[in-house]
Amino acid sequence: AQSVTQPDIHITVSEGASLELRCNYSYGATPYLFWYVQSPGQGLQLLLKYFSGDTLVQGIKGFEAEFKRSQSSFNLRKPSVHWSDAAEYFCAVGSRSGQNFVFGPGTRLSVLP
Amino acid sequence: DVKVTQSSRYLVKRTGEKVFLECVQDMDHENMFWYRQDPGLGLRLIYFSYDVKMKEKGDIPEGYSVSREKKERFSLILESASTNQTSMYLCASSSGQDTGELFFGEGSRLTVL
Repeated sequence: AQSVTQPDIHITVSEGASLELRCNYSYGATPYLFWYVQSPGQGLQLLLKYFSGDTLVQGIKGFEAEFKRSQSSFNLRKPSVHWSDAAEYFCAVGSRSGQNFVFGPGTRLSVLP
Repeated sequence: DVKVTQSSRYLVKRTGEKVFLECVQDMDHENMFWYRQDPGLGLRLIYFSYDVKMKEKGDIPEGYSVSREKKERFSLILESASTNQTSMYLCASSSGQDTGELFFGEGSRLTVL
């Protein structure tokens, strides 16, 4: 069965510090992997996606993620966090058909001034 | 840009009322989804549709129904609202011929009194 785990429910970092949010997945076929961000009271916005090619993908707002097939991981990183990055982050796995989406439980990010 | 529009951002209804949540997408996507989001429970799939007049149950369809009479519109219906249906409802769409990305609306916050 497909599944996505995000081991950290809540992370707090200081503004300017680096960030890494962890994501592990279980998927039978070639995974299509996504990171979404959700600000309070809003819908989800796509940060980045991976489905083939270079395993290091760049996204919006200065985020990047690295696909590691051997570890079944797709961790999200940012070198320097801004206060506006405080939000909830969801990792997800899907397929090309766009029908079989599985979301992780989310990681809430707090940023200290 | 793809736009997924949910007609109501905030609704307050009374127990037993019939509730319609409307969702429209403007990118000719085949797939449309309704999710429910609750604290600590993440995103749970209620129903999805991969074509006009087609619908499939998700993980938590009880108490809900859907309608997709036109490709761009996917409605979620609560026949008789109950207090345990107080939640954030998120509509999403995806193309079946691209990278499988989900595009989300802004969400509808429903409170049932």
